[in-house]
Amino acid sequence: EDQVTQSPEALRLQEGESSSLNCSYTVSGLRGLFWYRQDPGKGPEFLFTLYSAGEEKEKERLKATLTKKESFLHITAPKPEDSATYLCAVQANQAGTALIFGKGTTLSVSS
Amino acid sequence: GAVVSQHPSRVICKSGTSVKIECRSLDFQATTMFWYRQFPKQSLMLMATSNEGSKATYEQGVEKDKFLINHASLTLSTLTVTSAHPEDSSFYICSAGKTSTGELFFGEGSRLTVL
Repeated sequence: EDQVTQSPEALRLQEGESSSLNCSYTVSGLRGLFWYRQDPGKGPEFLFTLYSAGEEKEKERLKATLTKKESFLHITAPKPEDSATYLCAVQANQAGTALIFGKGTTLSVSS
Repeated sequence: GAVVSQHPSRVICKSGTSVKIECRSLDFQATTMFWYRQFPKQSLMLMATSNEGSKATYEQGVEKDKFLINHASLTLSTLTVTSAHPEDSSFYICSAGKTSTGELFFGEGSRLTVL
C-alpha cells in the first residue's frame, strides 16, 4: 500500500534556527514527490516537485532533497512568516496523477 | 496569483439541503481535476477524480450518489454535496494539474458547515 509518513508532527524553532522536515514514503513506482505549504483555512500552496533520487530544488530559505526512500525539506534561518503546515505528497504510477498526502509537519517560528 | 479558484470559500447550510462547490482552473485547461477532503489536523484524503466529459472515479468508501461531481468543461468541475448532514462538515479542496509542467495546484478550499 502506498504510504507517506512525515516527521516530526510539530516543530518549534527560534528565528534563524535551521532545521529539516522529513518525509518517508513507500510507493509502487514514484512518478513525483511534492512539497506544499498550507496556512490555516487555506488550500495547499505548491512549493516543489522532485522526480528522481539525488534531485534538489531550492526556493528562498527552503531546499528539498530526494532519496529512494525519503525526502527532506531543509529550512535555513527561518523567519516567523515561514510558520505553516508543510505537506509532503507522492504521485504513484498506478494512481495516475492523484496525490497521496502525509499528515504534515506544523512549523512554528518565533522571533 | 491563484491558478485554481474555488467558490464558495465558506458555506453554512441546514441539514438535508444540497450544496454546490465550484472549482475552476484560471489560466490552463485541466482534463482531470481532483477533489479532496480534509478534517482538522488531518491529511488531505482523495475523494474522487473528475474527468472532463466522463464520469468521475470515486475512491473506496466515498458515496457517489451523495457527492455528485460534474466536470462540464476543461476549466470547471463542481462537487455537489446532496442531502448534507453534520458529519459532512469538512474542508473540501480541489486540485488541477498543468500537464506541461507537472505542477499540481490546489484551490483555496471550501469550508462546509452543516447545522
